[in-house]
Formats: sequence, structure tokens, C-alpha cells
Amino acid sequence: QSALTPPASVSGSPGQSITISCTGTTSDVGGYNYVSWYQQHPGKAPKLLIYEVRHRPSGVPDRFSASKSGNTASLTISGLQAEDEADYYCSSYTGSTTYVVFGGGTKLTVL
Amino acid sequence: LLQEPGPGLVKPSETLSLTCSVSVGPITNRGFYWGWIRQPPGKGLQWIGSIYYSGSTFYNPSLKSRVMISVDTSRNQFSLKLTSVTAADTAVYFCARHPSGCKSCSWFDSWGQGTLVTVSS
Repeated sequence: QSALTPPASVSGSPGQSITISCTGTTSDVGGYNYVSWYQQHPGKAPKLLIYEVRHRPSGVPDRFSASKSGNTASLTISGLQAEDEADYYCSSYTGSTTYVVFGGGTKLTVL
Repeated sequence: LLQEPGPGLVKPSETLSLTCSVSVGPITNRGFYWGWIRQPPGKGLQWIGSIYYSGSTFYNPSLKSRVMISVDTSRNQFSLKLTSVTAADTAVYFCARHPSGCKSCSWFDSWGQGTLVTVSS
């Protein structure tokens, strides 16, 4: 029941930069500055990369950056590395009732 | 966070029960909620619900009628019960922590390893 719409897949070569977008509505992404991004490798738990639109937790490389414009949030990975190959999920606060929704996930392939 | 081994297989109409042991400090830390999130095979993530150490809970409205999350501060654990399960409840279930500094602080910064639960007869 993903309410946020990302691309199903993106790809890039090592060293390149890629951007994953996540489109929502005024009820989620556009309405609040509480967008988060997660990285998930196969068979592993998601790892928090970004919170509150653009903030990185301690330990997350600054190759990962994020922003928001209107109803669309974006995650940019610069200097792609092989270990960046994973699934990426966006999420947004949606108000006190539904609380949080996640995007359907984007598979990043490093060529 | 450490998830206890789950049942693995649950029959339709029965109750799914999972427990998460908190290894990142005391569950009574006022700075965090403790939540459950699930991921059907090959699909995205869905928040199920969360609990504060005091026992205060909030749930995903789409699951609220079937979900109960409880906390055991003496064991530093919290638990999930999902009743009347169907095949649609087959998923990897994760426990996770999120900040309680604001109700809208909806990011999960520490996760359990996940437990696959299959609903099948």
C-alpha cells in the first residue's frame, strides 16, 4: 500500500552520481519536512540514510544527500561505489492518524 | 535490537506473535518509541504500529483492529500480536526504534534483523 511513488530501478557506473526521486502529495511529502531515506541490502534490515529531508545520521557518508521540492523528495548518491547497490526506500510522515508511509522501493544497480 | 526467533509458519485465522529484545539501551529511555514494520516478500515496507515504554500505543489504521503491541520493561522487550492472519500477512517483520522527541519524528534509526513469518495451512 505504498503511497509514495519512486522509480522501480536506476543504474549508474562507479564514480557517477544518481538521483532517486520520490513523489507524494500534499498530505505527506509536500505537507511535512519529515522525509526519510533508507538503504536495504538483500536479506538485511533497512538502514537509515537521511531524516528530516536532508539530515544524515552519524556514520552515513556525505556522498548521500537529499532534498525536497514541493511533493517530490530526492536522494542523490555521488561517487557511486559497488557497495551502494541495494534497494532504497523513501518514507514520509503523513499526520497523526496514518503516521508514516513508505515508497515502493528503488533498486539501484551499479554497472 | 534483537528479534527473538519467530514462529516461522502460522496457520490462517490464527494469531502471529513476535518479540523484540532491545539491545540498544533501556526500553524505558524516554527518547524513543518502539515499533514494528513489515515487508511482504519482494515488496515495500509497511509500518504496523509503535509503543512507548509507558504502554501508550498508536497503530496503522489499516491494521488497528487486529494488532496489539505491548511492552515488558522488566525484560527490556516489546511484542507484537496480529490476529486473524491471512496469506496477505506473510512478510518479514522488523522491530525498530524511532525518536519520541516529536510525534512526527517518523524515522527509524535502529532495526532488528527481521523475522520471516509465513501464513499457510
